[in-house]
Amino acid sequence: EDKVVQSPLSLVVHEGDTVTLNCSYEVTNFRSLLWYKQEKKAPTFLFMLTSSGIEKKSGRLSSILDKKELFSILNITATQTGDSAVYLCAVSTGTASKLTFGTGTRLQVTL
Amino acid sequence: GAVVSQHPSWVICKSGTSVKIECRSLDFQATTMFWYRQFPKQSLMLMATSNEGSKATYEQGVEKDKFLINHASLTLSTLTVTSAHPEDSSFYICSAPLAGPGIGELFFGEGSRLTVL
Repeated sequence: EDKVVQSPLSLVVHEGDTVTLNCSYEVTNFRSLLWYKQEKKAPTFLFMLTSSGIEKKSGRLSSILDKKELFSILNITATQTGDSAVYLCAVSTGTASKLTFGTGTRLQVTL
Repeated sequence: GAVVSQHPSWVICKSGTSVKIECRSLDFQATTMFWYRQFPKQSLMLMATSNEGSKATYEQGVEKDKFLINHASLTLSTLTVTSAHPEDSSFYICSAPLAGPGIGELFFGEGSRLTVL
């Protein structure tokens, strides 16, 4: 059975802090790893990672994948209150882009 | 970017009734769509894979007679919750993959929150 585990489950930080969210996986037929941000409704796409060691960056967010150790991290620098959300890690397997989601990390950024 | 539209966004129904939720890909064709369910403070759980022109593939533990899926065209999939009960109350989200350079990236609908009284 495919498995995606995220840690920590929840996190509270002060504005301006840097956070690192973790995602490990055990799946068959790995295709890609994706990060999503979920606020009140449907998840919004952040990154898709397919190759090891190549950092993807978008503003204050960055992510990297290690296919040997089967994990990924999502970094957020200089956090803002608008970063408060649940961050979901998902792994795509097979040919039909089927996603298995982790439990999510609930991030709260306080003033 | 690609857009997936879901309707209705919120529905309240009485126990025993059936509810239909629509998922449309607005600017691309989707031979495959996925239906997820999310309970409060939990992650998204894949319910089934909807296949255009053939039967849906259900995940283990999901009752196919209760959650009817019809992929009527390349841009529309519907999920019907039959004889809904309070325990079916949840947030249902559909998604569709975009073929081409973004293979593997899924676009999500806005979600449908179902409350069964």
